[in-house]
Amino acid sequence: DARVTQTPRHKVTEMGQEVTMRCQPILGHNTVFWYRQTMMQGLELLAYFRNRAPLDDSGMPKDRFSAEMPDATLATLKIQPSEPRDSAVYFCASGLDTFVGSFFGSGTQLSVL
Amino acid sequence: DQQVKQNSPSLSVQEGRISILNCDYTNSMFDYFLWYKKYPAEGPTFLISISSIKDKNEDGRFTVFLNKSAKHLSLHIVPSQPGDSAVYFCAASERRTDKLIFGTGTRLQVFP
Repeated sequence: DARVTQTPRHKVTEMGQEVTMRCQPILGHNTVFWYRQTMMQGLELLAYFRNRAPLDDSGMPKDRFSAEMPDATLATLKIQPSEPRDSAVYFCASGLDTFVGSFFGSGTQLSVL
Repeated sequence: DQQVKQNSPSLSVQEGRISILNCDYTNSMFDYFLWYKKYPAEGPTFLISISSIKDKNEDGRFTVFLNKSAKHLSLHIVPSQPGDSAVYFCAASERRTDKLIFGTGTRLQVFP
């Protein structure tokens, strides 16, 4: 059963700490998206990669957020330093070349105290 | 600035009746529209889509209508079932950009 795997499912941390969220895309998918869900904004696209190359990270606060794909089976999203306003659910999705037909992971619920 | 708006945060419908979820957009360059369903503690799952060259797309109990002149789309669920209770997100894209813009979601509750 192919699925996008995100870890951790929940993360509680204190302001100022580094947070790393991980995503394992579906095997064979070459496009990875990172989204953030908040009550006010809904789902916002933070960044996305194709064939491990970053294509767009304009939705991401550059000073504290970074996204990488060390290899085809792992995408990471880091926040350093974290702030209470970063509290949200972060979703990863993977697809073949495009968002059409892409699948979402179950998300990482982040709480920054 | 929300380019995709779902103005109704919640909707309650009786089982067997029609559910109508609405979505408005502001960007006339959007040419592809999708609806996703999301259960608690899960990621969104794709439900149905429509291209801007069409005004209707149907898949079983789900139909999406697109009114380009009004920049409005709607999702109809007939008949509604308790298992349809979830948050529904509308999303739009310019296909060439490969970026999905989501609305804030509408929570649908279908009661017996």
